[in-house]
Amino acid sequence: QKEVEQDPGPLSVPEGAIVSLNCTYSNSAFQYFMWYRQYSRKGPELLMYTYSSGNKEDGRFTAQVDKSSKYISLFIRDSQPSDSATYLCAMSAAQAGTALIFGKGTTLSVSS
Amino acid sequence: SAVISQKPSRDICQRGTSLTIQCQVDSQVTMMFWYRQQPGQSLTLIATANQGSEATYESGFVIDKFPISRPNLTFSTLTVSNLSPEDSSIYLCSANPGQGNEKLFFGSGTQLSVL
Repeated sequence: QKEVEQDPGPLSVPEGAIVSLNCTYSNSAFQYFMWYRQYSRKGPELLMYTYSSGNKEDGRFTAQVDKSSKYISLFIRDSQPSDSATYLCAMSAAQAGTALIFGKGTTLSVSS
Repeated sequence: SAVISQKPSRDICQRGTSLTIQCQVDSQVTMMFWYRQQPGQSLTLIATANQGSEATYESGFVIDKFPISRPNLTFSTLTVSNLSPEDSSIYLCSANPGQGNEKLFFGSGTQLSVL
């Protein structure tokens, strides 16, 4: 079993839809959870950062962490064509200096 | 946050040669990281580069193949040596401007193709 599982998609939605992206993980030591957005031919861009469990909202984006289920989600409201990208989840254990573990990424396409 | 400049953005190299990738951060950072991103795969950490000490390599990556320099707190290089087609990938530099590596910022990546 991989440490982090993420459905690669692709996921295609119409403009304005609500998008749900998810990752599951197996390592209960993970405390820091991130979502990155990566456009084609670009490096990953940090989108959301969450420590431990709970929700975090930033504009149209909401990140949720459920540590009891080892499950994290990213919701995108009112999706736009500019949201078309690959979304990578990443996580890290509590100790400083431990490596980030990434999911494979989900490719999202939002059509106008 | 941190702005990370990485170059070259892409290169095509012959088998058996080497490619050195440069990474410049706009602020001083303790730890810099080099990742590889192969098609359809997760980002995989190659090594962690601390200024003033040797890089720490992850399982499956060795210094002879991926020598790293870290001459100061804002700069690092990764060399991919003795290139083979299997080395064709995107290589990414990253850094954390604060303690630990929870919030990583990335360069735009180097697309390497080996013929």
